[in-house]
Amino acid sequence: NAGVTQTPKFQVLKTGQSMTLQCAQDMNHEYMSWYRQDPGMGLRLIHYSVGAGITDQGEVPNGYNVSRSTTEDFPLRLLSAAPSQTSVYFCASSSSRDTLRTQYFGPGTRLLVL
Amino acid sequence: DQQVKQNSPSLSVQEGRISILNCDYTNSMFDYFLWYKKYPAEGPTFLISISSIKDKNEDGRFTVFLNKSAKHLSLHIVPSQPGDSAVYFCAAGFGNTGKLIFGQGTTLQVKP
Repeated sequence: NAGVTQTPKFQVLKTGQSMTLQCAQDMNHEYMSWYRQDPGMGLRLIHYSVGAGITDQGEVPNGYNVSRSTTEDFPLRLLSAAPSQTSVYFCASSSSRDTLRTQYFGPGTRLLVL
Repeated sequence: DQQVKQNSPSLSVQEGRISILNCDYTNSMFDYFLWYKKYPAEGPTFLISISSIKDKNEDGRFTVFLNKSAKHLSLHIVPSQPGDSAVYFCAAGFGNTGKLIFGQGTTLQVKP
């Protein structure tokens, strides 16, 4: 079991560029989420999914798109990067079989937008 | 509006003593709470959780206490070890969405 994997580990973008952050899990978890971590702000939920084909917005969804075509993958797309999107991004997954929704996090992607 | 707050950005304790990390929340609909530990350059890892129907949950050196009337939870680490030095996040959730709301985090330093 690889758990939750994220690629790339680090990325530098110029303002206006687009990119996709990849996230995959091999635990057959229904729930997947994207968070961003900024100093003094903790982790804030961007988008989440309760299953393949179903996504919804979190606290800070603006500037990000997601889709969930398979149970395993949950990519996060930045259509036009802005310096305010400089952050560390974490993907997480959890199972409906766990009533306390313990989430398992990936190692993160550090994004710098110039 | 911050629904989950950790008002202490940092805490320093001596090895072997108790560490107490605090967390307050505002939404009475939350029905479960979790603590995560995070080392630099790694993702958060699950530490301990508690359902809103309980007031205490213990796992080895870690105990979480929930006071629903005060909308407050705390994490006790006894005895504290240098390897416990990390950022600790409390989080709260409700319903079937898998959504979690996190606090800002508290950096714990355990001195040898």
